[in-house]
Amino acid sequence: QVQLQESGPGLVKPSQTLSLTCTVSGASTSSDNYYWSWIRQPAGKGLEWIGRIYTSGSANYNPSLDSRTALSVDTSKNQFSLKMTSVTAADTAVYYCAREHTSGYALNWGQGTLVIVSS
Amino acid sequence: DIQMTQSPSTLSASIGDRVTITCRASQSISARLAWYQQKPGKAPDLLIYGTSNLERGVPSRFRGSGSETEFTLTISSLQPDDFATYFCQQYKTYPETFGQGTKVEIK
Repeated sequence: QVQLQESGPGLVKPSQTLSLTCTVSGASTSSDNYYWSWIRQPAGKGLEWIGRIYTSGSANYNPSLDSRTALSVDTSKNQFSLKMTSVTAADTAVYYCAREHTSGYALNWGQGTLVIVSS
Repeated sequence: DIQMTQSPSTLSASIGDRVTITCRASQSISARLAWYQQKPGKAPDLLIYGTSNLERGVPSRFRGSGSETEFTLTISSLQPDDFATYFCQQYKTYPETFGQGTKVEIK
């Protein structure tokens, strides 16, 4: 059974960097059959795709967030991570990590972690 | 970005009703469309991918159809467990984009 678990600070100050890690069990981030992605959801709103990373380290980003976002993967720990710089209140959301089929749909999701941007 | 528009935003229905949700893409996405179900406080669950392929374990009362720019999710006989919010997603091009969601409520 594939499980993903997000971890990281729940409160980040404006202009600082948001850092989250997703730990994967039941699947390997070394697999070349999947992407590892991040998706966020502001309270009461829809879903926004942030980006995805492949086991090789190759990544795709949402152009609206590209300049502030960096993904990485650590296959030795079976984890992948998100860093988002210069955050504002608009970045307050539940952040999900997900395992994505190489076609692009999300097969498995983490439970989500709420990140609040506030001083 | 490809814009995905769902209708209706909210739908009130009774147990046993047939329910249809529509998703329209701003340009052709071929069959690269997925549907997800989300319950309050939970992550979305994949229901359908490739427009009409049921994910393993999803009940057969869920059916997806459509092509190019217009797609539908049909629940043939609404069950208590189906009251939730449903999202469509295109994965033809990135950034992958989602519809705004359709909340299915108890009538």
